[in-house]
Amino acid sequence: DQQVKQNSPSLSVQEGRISILNCDYTNSMFDYFLWYKKYPAEGPTFLISISSIKDKNEDGRFTVFLNKSAKHLSLHIVPSQPGDSAVYFCAASARTGNQFYFGTGTSLTVIP
Amino acid sequence: DVKVTQSSRYLVKRTGEKVFLECVQDMDHENMFWYRQDPGLGLRLIYFSYDVKMKEKGDIPEGYSVSREKKERFSLILESASTNQTSMYLCASTTGAGNYEQYFGPGTRLTVT
Repeated sequence: DQQVKQNSPSLSVQEGRISILNCDYTNSMFDYFLWYKKYPAEGPTFLISISSIKDKNEDGRFTVFLNKSAKHLSLHIVPSQPGDSAVYFCAASARTGNQFYFGTGTSLTVIP
Repeated sequence: DVKVTQSSRYLVKRTGEKVFLECVQDMDHENMFWYRQDPGLGLRLIYFSYDVKMKEKGDIPEGYSVSREKKERFSLILESASTNQTSMYLCASTTGAGNYEQYFGPGTRLTVT
């Protein structure tokens, strides 16, 4: 059973607008969440993370929001740029940190 | 910069062949992972290792085995390749518990015919 879900397989956004990517999880033991970005023919690269003791983490154009009661996190990209076009994966881990659970990915297209 | 390298970018093998996928990291990381990525299924963990000669099964270990004889090298072995093992294989590493950021290799696209 998928413990981390990304229900939108794809998203298209105009350049300069906000991109919002969503992720839901089912396991209440998860306490650390990450977003990865993947270009075709490359491995995923780490983008931003958040611990369960926070509800928001910001890094430049990227902000991750965590709603623990809803078991939901989202990634906001503002402003979106064509170079942001990629597949975005969310991932979650419990306190031991040895195993990570990934969502199915959302393919973001930023239209110039 | 952390570097994770994988022995092949593209590989074509026949059904029944034994296949070795090699992964090397150069940052003295404790933990190493093998995933496969399939459309609509995301990244699924096959095996991981938290120390030399130590291994743990992930979510889909059937049909695979692993070897970690040296800290920097983690090998994935398909004992008898089957067509349903056609996939993108990704290797990753982390420093260990408390550091959650994974560094990924570029992936190996394996096709089994």
